[in-house]
Amino acid sequence: QKEVEQNSGPLSVPEGAIASLNCTYSDRVSQSFFWYRQYSGKSPELIMSIYSNGDKEDGRFTAQLNKASQYVSLLIRDSQPSDSATYLCAVNHDSGGSNYKLTFGKGTLLTVNP
Amino acid sequence: EADIYQTPRYLVIGTGKKITLECSQTMGHDKMYWYQQDPGMELHLIHYSYGVNSTEKGDLSSESTVSRIRTEHFPLTLESARPSHTSQYLCASSESRQGGYQPQHFGDGTRLSIL
Repeated sequence: QKEVEQNSGPLSVPEGAIASLNCTYSDRVSQSFFWYRQYSGKSPELIMSIYSNGDKEDGRFTAQLNKASQYVSLLIRDSQPSDSATYLCAVNHDSGGSNYKLTFGKGTLLTVNP
Repeated sequence: EADIYQTPRYLVIGTGKKITLECSQTMGHDKMYWYQQDPGMELHLIHYSYGVNSTEKGDLSSESTVSRIRTEHFPLTLESARPSHTSQYLCASSESRQGGYQPQHFGDGTRLSIL
């Protein structure tokens, strides 16, 4: 059973701080990693994709991938109250080009306090 | 950004009715997915399709059925709705492209309540 684990939270940070969200996965051959943001009652929205080891930055968001440790994280700099949401880590396990499903973690609830 | 549309957004209906939830996408994506999500809970994949006339059951058993007669359309049907079917249903799509798995993009969802 391929698993994606996230701390369910809630993670509470003050406005302006850095929020750090973590995710581990069980299948070593996983190739593609995504972070989605989901506001309460809404559908998931893609915010970051990462495929290679290292950091990828997009505005206030930085995704970090370490395949040796089977670990992917999301940093949110200068956190805003509008960042308050559940963040879902998603992993595609396929290495041969035939599995197009994503395995989602249960999500981490982030609360940014004004 | 994918344009993927789900209708209706909300549906309240009585037990025993036949229901079809619509999902359409305008991006020509070959892969489409249905997820079920209860409030505050995780996403569960219930159906997926890798192209026309291709449908598979997902990781969570569901009494619903799907069809994929056209690339852009992936409807989900419940033949006889029950209160246990009350949930949010999310449709997603993704494309095949060189350079790695492409992410799924979600529609706004259908919130279904069975009385």
